[in-house]
Amino acid sequence: DGGITQSPKYLFRKEGQNVTLSCEQNLNHDAMYWYRQDPGQGLRLIYYSQIVNDFQKGDIAEGYSVSREKKESFPLTVTSAQKNPTAFYLCASSLTGSSEKLFFGSGTQLSVL
Amino acid sequence: KNQVEQSPQSLIILEGKNCTLQCNYTVSPFSNLRWYKQDTGRGPVSLTIMTFSENTKSNGRYTATLDADTKQSSLHITASQLSDSASYICVVSIVAAGNKLTFGGGTRVLVKP
Repeated sequence: DGGITQSPKYLFRKEGQNVTLSCEQNLNHDAMYWYRQDPGQGLRLIYYSQIVNDFQKGDIAEGYSVSREKKESFPLTVTSAQKNPTAFYLCASSLTGSSEKLFFGSGTQLSVL
Repeated sequence: KNQVEQSPQSLIILEGKNCTLQCNYTVSPFSNLRWYKQDTGRGPVSLTIMTFSENTKSNGRYTATLDADTKQSSLHITASQLSDSASYICVVSIVAAGNKLTFGGGTRVLVKP
C-alpha cells in the first residue's frame, strides 16, 4: 500500500528531553511537511522540505528541528526548547512543492509527562 | 486574525439529514480551495479541490460551492451517515504568499442515529 506512515501513534516527553517523530512515505513525493494541530485551531506549518537535503522553516519552527537525508523520510525532533509541545503532529507530502493536494499521515499525539 | 474562518465550530445532526458548513476567507487572489475530512485521531483526507474559476464540485454526498466574489465556500453533506462524524477543514492556497496553505480551524460534525 502506498502512503505516509507516522510513528509512534502516542508519545510522551519528559521535561528537558528531546523526542523524535518519524515520518516515512512511499509515494515518491518530492515535498514533505510537518504541521502542528491544537484543538480548535487550524493546522500550523512547522517545517517543510521540497527536495532531499533541503528544508525550510514554517510559521512555528522554534523549538523544532528536521532532517531530509532521504526522499522517503522526514523526521521531526521536538527539542527541550519547545516549552508547549503537547499537540497532535501531522506529517504530509505532495508530489511537488507547489502546494498541490496533500496526503497526510495518521498523526502522532505528543504529551508532556 | 485567521484568514480562513469556518462556521459553525461544531454541530449535531440526525442521521439522514442534510447540513451545510461555511468557510469565509479574507485573502485573494488564491489558487485553490480545498475541503478535507478528518476523523478523530487521524490525518485529514481530501474531499474536494476547487480553483478560483469553479463554482461547485461534488464527491459523492459531499458538494462544495465557491463564490469568489463574496469569498465564501460551503460544504453540503446530503443524507448524512454516522460515518460522516468528523471534522471538516477548509484550506486556502494563497498565490500572494507563494502558494502557502492556510487552514481553517475546522467544523466538528456529530451525526446521531
